[in-house]
This record gives sequence, structure tokens and C-alpha cells, in this order.
Amino acid sequence: DAKTTQPPSMDCAEGRAANLPCNHSTISGNEYVYWYRQIHSQGPQYIIHGLKNNETNEMASLIITEDRKSSTLILPHATLRDTAVYYCIVRGLINYQLIWGAGTKLIIKP
Amino acid sequence: KAGVTQTPRYLIKTRGQQVTLSCSPISGHRSVSWYQQTPGQGLQFLFEYFSETQRNKGNFPGRFSGRQFSNSRSEMNVSTLELGDSALYLCASGHPNTRSSYNEQFFGPGTRLTVL
Repeated sequence: DAKTTQPPSMDCAEGRAANLPCNHSTISGNEYVYWYRQIHSQGPQYIIHGLKNNETNEMASLIITEDRKSSTLILPHATLRDTAVYYCIVRGLINYQLIWGAGTKLIIKP
Repeated sequence: KAGVTQTPRYLIKTRGQQVTLSCSPISGHRSVSWYQQTPGQGLQFLFEYFSETQRNKGNFPGRFSGRQFSNSRSEMNVSTLELGDSALYLCASGHPNTRSSYNEQFFGPGTRLTVL
């Protein structure tokens, strides 16, 4: 199962777009990329997922490179409530479980 | 629609004791997964139940066990507690349509277990 690499922390100004990178260079052809976030003291919250095409929903956009070795989660207009740890996850092929990395701590500053 | 609920929210036990944690999934969800979260190891998968059967299992010792009932509610049990079992235990429910479909998981708030 593929592993992911994310920067440990990032800052972003309130109202600006937050771009969170993720490397998953060993991803297999039919493995999905998921993004979750965890706000302090809460359970993780699903954000978005994708296979090879870019995806957008009401929370965020997911840009996956053509070779699928990396992706970027974009929060278009970050607010203070977006401060959280963001996890980029590749869904396991064998057990279909989510394999979690250390995540990126995103701090939105006023 | 009510979210995933976990009880109790906080628990303090001593070494050698056993503990049972409970999870009620979102109505209609048949898949329940359990995770352990610690500062050092992050989120680690324990096991997943689907229709009362354990479908997947992570790399944890046999002291960690679980079960799922016919109403999809799930319990996990940890026997002979060790100090290292202190963690946030998270339950997530999902609604997988087919084996090949994605499984968006909805997490509960977790149970904070402290072992003294």
C-alpha cells in the first residue's frame, strides 16, 4: 500500500487560498487519494477524494498530477475554522483500509 | 441524521483491567471501523466490521477485539490494559456500496482512554 508524505506544518492568511501538497509516489493505478481533516479534540472529517481527475466539492478542490504521484488540496478561501491537521491518505488495496500519515498542521492566521 | 456516537467519552482504568467501548454508527451504515490515535503513532487501524463479520484487521495484539451486532452497533474490548493503550479510540461508520467503491468514513468524537 502506498504511503504519503506531507509537510508537517503550514500557515495561511485568512481569506487566502490554502494549498496543501501531498506526495504519494508509490501509488498504484487503482488506489484513491483521500483527504480528511481533524480539528482539535474532534474525530476526523472527510473532505474529498479522487482517482485521477481533479475534483471539487463545497469544501475544497483536489488537484492530482497526471502521473498521480502527487496531489494538492485547495481550500479556496480559508477561515480561522479551517485550522486543523489535514491528512492525505491513500486507500489500501488489500484491506481497503485507510492508511494514515502524520498529516499537515494548517494554521490560518487573521 | 444523527452522527456517529461513542460512549463513554472519557475513561480512566488501571493496568491489568479490561475495558469495553461502544460505537453507534449513522443509521443505515453497516460498516464500522475502529482506530487508535496516539501522539507518537498517529491514527492506526484496528479492525473493520461489516454485517456482524470482521472484514479487516490491523496489526494489533489479540488483547484488542471487537464485535458488531445485528443493528450495526459495535463494541471493542481491550483486555489486560497496558500503559501504552492510553489513546483516543475512534470509531467510523461507512456505507460501502460495493467492494470496489470508495468508502467515505464518518468519524465519531472518540473515547479518550487513560491507563494508570
